[in-house]
Amino acid sequence: NAGVTQTPKFQVLKTGQSMTLQCAQDMNHNSMYWYRQDPGMGLRLIYYSASEGTTDKGEVPNGYNVSRLNKREFSLRLESAAPSQTSVYFCASSSAGGNTGELFFGEGSRLTVL
Amino acid sequence: KNQVEQSPQSLIILEGKNCTLQCNYTVSPFSNLRWYKQDTGRGPVSLTIMTFSENTKSNGRYTATLDADTKQSSLHITASQLSDSASYICVVSASGGSYIPTFGRGTSLIVHP
Repeated sequence: NAGVTQTPKFQVLKTGQSMTLQCAQDMNHNSMYWYRQDPGMGLRLIYYSASEGTTDKGEVPNGYNVSRLNKREFSLRLESAAPSQTSVYFCASSSAGGNTGELFFGEGSRLTVL
Repeated sequence: KNQVEQSPQSLIILEGKNCTLQCNYTVSPFSNLRWYKQDTGRGPVSLTIMTFSENTKSNGRYTATLDADTKQSSLHITASQLSDSASYICVVSASGGSYIPTFGRGTSLIVHP
């Protein structure tokens, strides 16, 4: 059982380049989330999808877009990367929504923007 | 605004010693509180969940407590091991249909031999 799988694990971009982080879960969860984690800041929510077909902004959505491709997959896109987006990105999923269900996290994607 | 505060920010202890991590929250209406463990370079993993009616819950050497009146929780680690070195994150969820739990910034624990 793979759980939550993120790709790529590492990426280096130049300022202005674009890229997409992929996330897939095999637990049949309804809700999916994208977080970023920076030193001293903890995990901050970028976007979430409460169910297939819906997406909503979190705490720090500027500079990002998301797509809930189907129930399994939730991608995060950086259209024009900036150094401030250097971070570790985590995808998570939950069966019953974050208010009741446990969040299952991927292993993270480490992004550096030069 | 819902908030979760954790203390201390970091903690260094010797192997075999006990320690207690604190979490204060202002999330309302309260649904549940989870403690997550995040090993270096890995994603967080849930250790325990506390609901309104629960005061204490144990998971091996980890014991979580909840005081819903004062809105405080603690995570006690007994007989620490090197593998306990990690970040411990307190996450509080509100009831009423919210899909967004509130995260604390975590306590970084280092266990030295």
